[in-house]
Amino acid sequence: EAGVAQSPRYKIIEKRQSVAFWCNPISGHATLYWYQQILGQGPKLLIQFQNNGVVDDSQLPKDRFSAERLKGVDSTLKIQPAKLEDSAVYLCASSWGGWTSGSMGTDTQYFGPGTRLTVL
Amino acid sequence: SQQGEEDPQALSIQEGENATMNCSYKTSINNLQWYRQNSGRGLVHLILIRSNEREKHSGRLRVTLDTSKKSSSLLITASRAADTASYFCAGGSNYKLTFGKGTLLTVNP
Repeated sequence: EAGVAQSPRYKIIEKRQSVAFWCNPISGHATLYWYQQILGQGPKLLIQFQNNGVVDDSQLPKDRFSAERLKGVDSTLKIQPAKLEDSAVYLCASSWGGWTSGSMGTDTQYFGPGTRLTVL
Repeated sequence: SQQGEEDPQALSIQEGENATMNCSYKTSINNLQWYRQNSGRGLVHLILIRSNEREKHSGRLRVTLDTSKKSSSLLITASRAADTASYFCAGGSNYKLTFGKGTLLTVNP
């Protein structure tokens, strides 16, 4: 079974520029997550989709970050404009559970390799 | 906000020794999960223990959960150099996981 794919793996940009990350989850997984992981910390959930609907985006800085999951499969996360403090690894994850499973969001998550973003 | 807080922040042991990491969490959970992260493979799920379970084993891993104390421990027996990684606990509640800051484990050959 193919894992979660992410691209690019690395990105270096100047502050105030924009950047986009792409994620392809494991086939059949209903839930998709974007996390931000700053060096030395654990992953912080930015946004969670169930199929193509948003379940939780309470920690997404909506003035600069946006995300979409078209057709309930692939997803993109965009930052515009980037700030220095956005330097981090952006992780995408997916899991089986949907609303009917009773375990949505709390079942095992499968992570992609991440995108390391450096903002100069 | 962080749900889990791991202790210690860093741990260094010799190959063959056991490693124990602890996690405390703040709110009620449906389950608690442990993940491992190293530079080569990213974040990988290790084990999940449900709130009505007290202990679970998987290979060289043993996890305990004490919901009255809101704490969990991860024991890795007979450690190997390949176990060198950061270990995160994550509490599952309110339809999401909340991760702690992690324990950096170094296993010296």
